[in-house]
Amino acid sequence: QSVLTQPPSTSGTPGQRVTISCSGSSSNIGSNYVYWYQQLPGTAPKLLIYRTNQRPSGVPDRFSGSKSGTSASLAISGLRSEDEADYYCAAWDDSLSALVFGGGTKVTVL
Amino acid sequence: QVQLQESGPGLVKPSETLSLTCTVSGASVSSNYCSWIRQPPGEGLEWIGYISYSGTTDYNPSLKSRVTISVDTSKNQFSLKLSSVTAADTAVYYCARGPASTYFDYWGQGTLVAVSS
Repeated sequence: QSVLTQPPSTSGTPGQRVTISCSGSSSNIGSNYVYWYQQLPGTAPKLLIYRTNQRPSGVPDRFSGSKSGTSASLAISGLRSEDEADYYCAAWDDSLSALVFGGGTKVTVL
Repeated sequence: QVQLQESGPGLVKPSETLSLTCTVSGASVSSNYCSWIRQPPGEGLEWIGYISYSGTTDYNPSLKSRVTISVDTSKNQFSLKLSSVTAADTAVYYCARGPASTYFDYWGQGTLVAVSS
């Protein structure tokens, strides 16, 4: 059972916008930055979003992050076949004194 | 170009110590946070801990009693030791680095460590 809750899966057609939610609590998302990673099949995770809504250089602006209260979201606009992957949210948890991850969301491009 | 590469045994016996090394190229281990993250087969990610540029360490409380992360600046490497392993420690182990302790901008490719007799 992950501390951060994500839907197991979501899907969309090419060009669509999909949103992945990440639900936490006041001790993690509510008081700290949120991070998002993309993991393509058989590869290491890749940083997509840092400090809740910042994109590293090289990450397309189709990816955006946001937060409201104790929940965060990753939006992918203009969905492409190469976006098919697992996506993980993460945040520091002040109560646990640990970096915690969501269980991951598998995005399927139909 | 920053690159990280994990190395170590792919099979460890129960109750023994898992030891992995991460070799960093293109950047100094002394200038960022060096971390270990693991992923059991078919499951999600779990943070193990980090060592900072100043040598400070912090570990996941769920593993703290069994984990040691150290750095060898002369070889530009950092290492993970996890003692008293069980089958539950079977996972792909990733080394990673980042500008802060809470996120990782470069990752190794990962190495699968199985715990079995």
